[in-house]
Amino acid sequence: QTVVTQEPSLTVSPGGTVTLTCASSTGAVTSGYYPNWFQQKPGQAPRALIYSTSNKHSWTPARFSGSLLGGKAALTLSGVQPEDEAEYYCLLYYGGAVVFGGGTKLTVL
Amino acid sequence: QVQLVQSGAEVKKPGASVKVSCKASGYTFTSYGISWVRQAPGQGLEWMGWISAYNGNTNYAQKLQGRVTMTTDTSTSTAYMELRSLRSDDTAVYYCAREYYDSSGYSIDYWGQGTLVTVSS
Repeated sequence: QTVVTQEPSLTVSPGGTVTLTCASSTGAVTSGYYPNWFQQKPGQAPRALIYSTSNKHSWTPARFSGSLLGGKAALTLSGVQPEDEAEYYCLLYYGGAVVFGGGTKLTVL
Repeated sequence: QVQLVQSGAEVKKPGASVKVSCKASGYTFTSYGISWVRQAPGQGLEWMGWISAYNGNTNYAQKLQGRVTMTTDTSTSTAYMELRSLRSDDTAVYYCAREYYDSSGYSIDYWGQGTLVTVSS
């Protein structure tokens, strides 16, 4: 049973920078896992932010960026806005099967 | 614009089946796949499986094998997810999402609005 692990919660000040990570129980995350990142606010469907490690969708704000960092996938928010307070989920692709991380609750305080 | 519109909320008894639909518009249906994802109350996202709208190939999450069937109707650009032998822990919001895979990457981009399925006696 493959497990994808994210920080349960993080807190950041408005205007600050924060990095969320996504680790695989199978070992280092590489570009071949095609990491995706999603934002979900209460009562809403998830919204896609990043695909295949670092690619942004047309609607993704410039302050969101994706990368690989220390064997994990990473989502960095630079210049955090109050509206960025949300749950963030990563997804890893395992050759046809997909596993979501448990989510990171990001608080902007 | 791309839209995925799902069917309405359902209440089912344990042991029953549910079939959720997801009607796509705004893109060429057969050029993408559809993933189904569920979210139990207060919990995270769980991938249920995937279907190719091009040829009907499927790949189901291991824990749901034997209970779930995903199909498509290309004449109406609609995807369906049927879950059988429902249990109380199947109570969740069920989402469909458009996905794309090729040798250069994998992407889930557009999501349906979600369908609440409640399993209760």
